[in-house]
Amino acid sequence: TQLLEQSPQFLSIQEGENLTVYCNSSSVFSSLQWYRQEPGEGPVLLVTVVTGGEVKKLKRLTFQFGDARKDSSLHITAAQPGDTGLYLCAGEGETSGSRLTFGEGTQLTVNP
Amino acid sequence: NAGVTQTPKFQVLKTGQSMTLQCAQDMNHEYMSWYRQDPGMGLRLIHYSVGAGITDQGEVPNGYNVSRSTTEDFPLRLLSAAPSQTSVYFCASSYSFHPAYSPLHFGNGTRLTVT
Repeated sequence: TQLLEQSPQFLSIQEGENLTVYCNSSSVFSSLQWYRQEPGEGPVLLVTVVTGGEVKKLKRLTFQFGDARKDSSLHITAAQPGDTGLYLCAGEGETSGSRLTFGEGTQLTVNP
Repeated sequence: NAGVTQTPKFQVLKTGQSMTLQCAQDMNHEYMSWYRQDPGMGLRLIHYSVGAGITDQGEVPNGYNVSRSTTEDFPLRLLSAAPSQTSVYFCASSYSFHPAYSPLHFGNGTRLTVT
């Protein structure tokens, strides 16, 4: 079973601060996705990274896939209260038949 | 488009009761799946289907049955509910079976409590 560990599990910051969320594994992934989930709703895809070392930017969010494709990070610049939510990473294993393995999630709260 | 629709939104069952969680999508997606979400454990795959008439087990299939008679619908059945099945259940669909090229679209979940 492939495991994805996210850290931190909880993060509470003030508006305007920067933050980084990490997603780590000992397994290699073909691709990795980041989702954001708000209370009472299902996760919504933010980005997919497929190449080792790849960096993608989505406005104030920067996503990076590790060179060895075992880890990823999500960096948010100048966080806003609208960024509050549960951030989930999900990896597509090389040997799991394209099924996704989800991390436990990082609950982010941005206080005004 | 409604996307992925799950019903009911909330359900309380007694131990041993049975029920069906409904999931329908209107995007003509071939791939559909069921996940459960528990605190501190992320989303775990229960069952999935790559097309009508085809289903397969995921990571945690015990206690759950599925069928896929049409492209649009993918119901999840609990035959004899147990307290360990208390969870939030999400149905998801995608155009194909390859996550990197076909992102999952999730419903808004069914919150199930088994007493």
